[in-house]
Amino acid sequence: SQTIHQWPATLVQPVGSPLSLECTVEGTSNPNLYWYRQAAGRGLQLLFYSVGIGQISSEVPQNLSASRPQDRQFILSSKKLLLSDSGFYLCAWSVGGGASRYTFGSGTRLTVV
Amino acid sequence: AQSVTQPDIHITVSEGASLELRCNYSYGATPYLFWYVQSPGQGLQLLLKYFSGDTLVQGIKGFEAEFKRSQSSFNLRKPSVHWSDAAEYFCAVGARVKTSNFGNEKLTFGTGTRLTIIP
Repeated sequence: SQTIHQWPATLVQPVGSPLSLECTVEGTSNPNLYWYRQAAGRGLQLLFYSVGIGQISSEVPQNLSASRPQDRQFILSSKKLLLSDSGFYLCAWSVGGGASRYTFGSGTRLTVV
Repeated sequence: AQSVTQPDIHITVSEGASLELRCNYSYGATPYLFWYVQSPGQGLQLLLKYFSGDTLVQGIKGFEAEFKRSQSSFNLRKPSVHWSDAAEYFCAVGARVKTSNFGNEKLTFGTGTRLTIIP
């Protein structure tokens, strides 16, 4: 079956520290992968999407970056976290006919202190 | 660019009462429309979607939504809510991403409506 794993579930990091959030997908190949952020009081904002290994598109300018070193692995990173990076980060994947087949991970709650 | 507006940040209804959550969208073509539900600390679960055809779509958990092109709306309804329906609800519009991989879409979400159920 197709599953998506996202970790950690909760993370508290100091300002200026690095960040690495990982998302992996099982049971499918060549998925489209997405990183969304849900900031307090705001909706879900698409940060990055990827249609293949090494192919990353950024939706908004920000302090974060994304990488896709393997077909089913999507990593969200930062070299130096800002307070404004706090939020709930959701990874998602889709395969062919995308929007109707989005599957979201359980999310990571990041608090930058 | 597409956008979604959910005008109600928080709604409280009594268990057993009817529910309507509002969603308005802006999109230059026929939209793909979705409703998702998010339980506390969880990811998102798809409730229902509209692509084309019948403008009244049925979803899981007894929810339905009606697409009204003239009003640019896609409101979510349920005739009788249950305590387990307490969650955050997101409306989303789907658009094609600008890649060579035909069939991909990205989702634009509204800010969400938090639903509280009182006994």
